[in-house]
Amino acid sequence: SQTIHQWPATLVQPVGSPLSLECTVEGTSNPNLYWYRQAAGRGLQLLFYSVGIGQISSEVPQNLSASRPQDRQFILSSKKLLLSDSGFYLCAWNTLPNQPQHFGDGTRLSIL
Amino acid sequence: GIQVEQSPPDLILQEGANSTLRCNFSDSVNNLQWFHQNPWGQLINLFYIPSGTKQNGRLSATTVATERYSLLYISSSQTTDSGVYFCAVEEGGSYIPTFGRGTSLIVHP
Repeated sequence: SQTIHQWPATLVQPVGSPLSLECTVEGTSNPNLYWYRQAAGRGLQLLFYSVGIGQISSEVPQNLSASRPQDRQFILSSKKLLLSDSGFYLCAWNTLPNQPQHFGDGTRLSIL
Repeated sequence: GIQVEQSPPDLILQEGANSTLRCNFSDSVNNLQWFHQNPWGQLINLFYIPSGTKQNGRLSATTVATERYSLLYISSSQTTDSGVYFCAVEEGGSYIPTFGRGTSLIVHP
């Protein structure tokens, strides 16, 4: 069966520090991968999505970047975190054609 | 882009009550999903339902694509049903689900 792993679960970082959040999917190949951010007030904001290795689309210009070095690995990064980067980050996957989307358990990021 | 509106925004129930959550969308969709986000933040896919009706235990969902809405029914609610319920739709040819702002449900014992 397919599973999605996301880590770390919680992270506290100082302003200006770098960030790397990792997401991996098991049990499937060539998944679509997504990074979302959820701020207080519950809306989900799509940050990046990827339909294949090295293919990244950005939905919102920001301080973050994403990479997909392997088929089932999706990484969210920042060189210098801002206070506004605080939030709950969720990774998700599905397959083509339109199929149910499945989420990781999320990372709670606090910037001090 | 497509607009997704969920109602009501907040709902408080007593355990055992039934409820109906609604999702309206502004254009034709190829995909519609309902999710439950529990108080710990985990998002669980409840239904993949671009059209028709599905049931899973005490939960059921109906999508009327031609009228651009979907309904999620919760019967005999339990405290574990508490959380936020999201509707997400995909327009034709898009890989990108558009999420509504959710309905926050609190079920009291």
